[in-house]
Amino acid sequence: DAKTTQPNSMESNEEEPVHLPCNHSTISGTDYIHWYRQLPSQGPEYVIHGLTSNVNNRMASLAIAEDRKSSTLILHRATLRDAAVYYCIRDYGGGATNKLIFGTGTLLAVQP
Amino acid sequence: SQTIHQWPATLVQPVGSPLSLECTVEGTSNPNLYWYRQAAGRGLQLLFYSVGIGQISSEVPQNLSASRPQDRQFILSSKKLLLSDSGFYLCAWRRPSSYNSPLHFGNGTRLTVT
Repeated sequence: DAKTTQPNSMESNEEEPVHLPCNHSTISGTDYIHWYRQLPSQGPEYVIHGLTSNVNNRMASLAIAEDRKSSTLILHRATLRDAAVYYCIRDYGGGATNKLIFGTGTLLAVQP
Repeated sequence: SQTIHQWPATLVQPVGSPLSLECTVEGTSNPNLYWYRQAAGRGLQLLFYSVGIGQISSEVPQNLSASRPQDRQFILSSKKLLLSDSGFYLCAWRRPSSYNSPLHFGNGTRLTVT
């Protein structure tokens, strides 16, 4: 099963850090974890991805558990523009398949 | 740089009419191409993906079909639309043969079947 498990919704205050959790207990050793976010009426936007080590970029940080069965997307200082649906996706199978299966994601609300 | 174009942005079609949505990618060769659909208030459902010209894999059996007549062109079609075909259709691409690369989405087509 290529699905991941995320909370349906979370709330944060502006300027505070946000930790978005994701469970992927059946992940295989070579599967990457990707995160995307989607603003209303737009296509999803790539945020970050990783395999085993923690990853940082200008948008966020990704912390991957040592057993790789879970990960956390970290927004260091939430802004109102970060309000979106966040998808955690297991990159399911390399080679010829190369498909990403999206779940329902976490709706993040950011309060001013 | 690579860009993805998807059109039209919105579409209203009657039940039973045909459908053709087009997606093109610029600035890359032999991309993996994907069609997703998002029903109102729901997550994204993978419909089709393609790893090359003429190679189409279907994820969900339904009223839709896909074709890839050229390397960077991906078309979603239907002969007769159903009410349940309404939704937000998204085309996406990524580098070929790599699951260590991001998926890039177009701006989507919002289809309403009446």
